[in-house]
Order: sequence, then C-alpha cells, then structure tokens
Amino acid sequence: DQQVKQNSPSLSVQEGRISILNCDYTNSMFDYFLWYKKYPAEGPTFLISISSIKDKNEDGRFTVFLNKSAKHLSLHIVPSQPGDSAVYFCAASDASNYKLTFGKGTLLTVNP
Amino acid sequence: DADVTQTPRNRITKTGKRIMLECSQTKGHDRMYWYRQDPGLGLRLIYYSFDVKDINKGEISDGYSVSRQAQAKFSLSLESAIPNQTALYFCATSDSAGAQDNEQFFGPGTRLTVL
Repeated sequence: DQQVKQNSPSLSVQEGRISILNCDYTNSMFDYFLWYKKYPAEGPTFLISISSIKDKNEDGRFTVFLNKSAKHLSLHIVPSQPGDSAVYFCAASDASNYKLTFGKGTLLTVNP
Repeated sequence: DADVTQTPRNRITKTGKRIMLECSQTKGHDRMYWYRQDPGLGLRLIYYSFDVKDINKGEISDGYSVSRQAQAKFSLSLESAIPNQTALYFCATSDSAGAQDNEQFFGPGTRLTVL
C-alpha cells in the first residue's frame, strides 16, 4: 500500500508563474516531510522540509504547506524558472525507524 | 568536497551474472541506503545500514544482498541478475547526529541494464 502519493505524474507551467506540486500521505506516524529535486543523470538533491508540527516552511522561492488533518502537503515555487524543470519527489520520515518513504515523483516542466 | 560516489555509473550485463555496485562516501555519515528507481515507481528502498555491523532489509530486498565493509563503503550485489532488475540504483547517506528531518544525501546513480 502506497503511504506517500503524488497523483500528478507531470505538470507544465509558464516561466514566472506559480508551480504547485501536491503530495498525500496515509501514515500518521510520519514526523517530517521532505521534498527532493532530481535532474536527469543526477541523484536526488534535498530541497526543503517541514516538521509535522508546523504548517508552513519557506526558503526563498520555495514554500511547503502542510495540512495535517487532510494528510496533504504541497510545494509552491514562485516564480517558476526554466531551471526548475526536474522531477520532484515528496518523501516522509518516520522517527521510529529513520527511513524515508518516497512518492512516485512529479515531472515539472517550466516553459520559457 | 565531501561526497557520495557510485561505481560503475553504467553497466550492461547478462541474465545470470553476478554484479556488484559500490558506494563510497566522504561525508562521515554512519547511515547508508540503497534504493532503486523505476519509471513511474519512484524510489524504493532495497537495504539500509545504520552502522558497520547493522544490515536491514528494505521493501524490495529479494534478489539482492549488501555488504558494509567500512563506515564509508556500502556495496550492493545481485547474485544472479535478471532483466526485471534493470533500473537506476542510488546510494544515499545520512547522519544520525544530523538534522531531525533525516535528510539523506544521494550519489549520482548507477544505470544497470540486464539483458
């Protein structure tokens, strides 16, 4: 059973507009949520995280929102740039076992 | 620069062959992980190790084995490769004394093709 779900395999936005990537989870024991970005032929790189006790975390153009009651989080990128084009993975951390559970990823394409 | 490296970066092999993928890190992290990525399936955990003497199975360990030769080295072996093990393999590390979010640092990946 998939504990972390990214239901949109792909998203296309125009440069300068907002990109919103969504993620849903089922396990209430997750204590942190992380977003990773992956370019072709490279490993995933950490982007931003949020604690389960917070509802927002911001880092420059990237903001993650967490709705714990809905078990839903989203990553907002404003303004989107062509260099943001990549696959974005949502991941959840379980403090009881120090493992990350990943979603299937969303391919973001930012068009100039 | 502290890093996670993987060798080889690309490998083509035949069904039934034994293959070893190697991972080394200079980050000084104690925890190491092996994942595979398949199109449309995201990253799935194969094995993980929290210390040199600690080895744990992940969600898809069948057909794989690992060896933690030192704190800095973690190898993944396919004893008898089969075509459905064709995938992108990633090694990752994390620090038990690091951030509470359990951020993991990934290597560049090994693309394995089993014919």
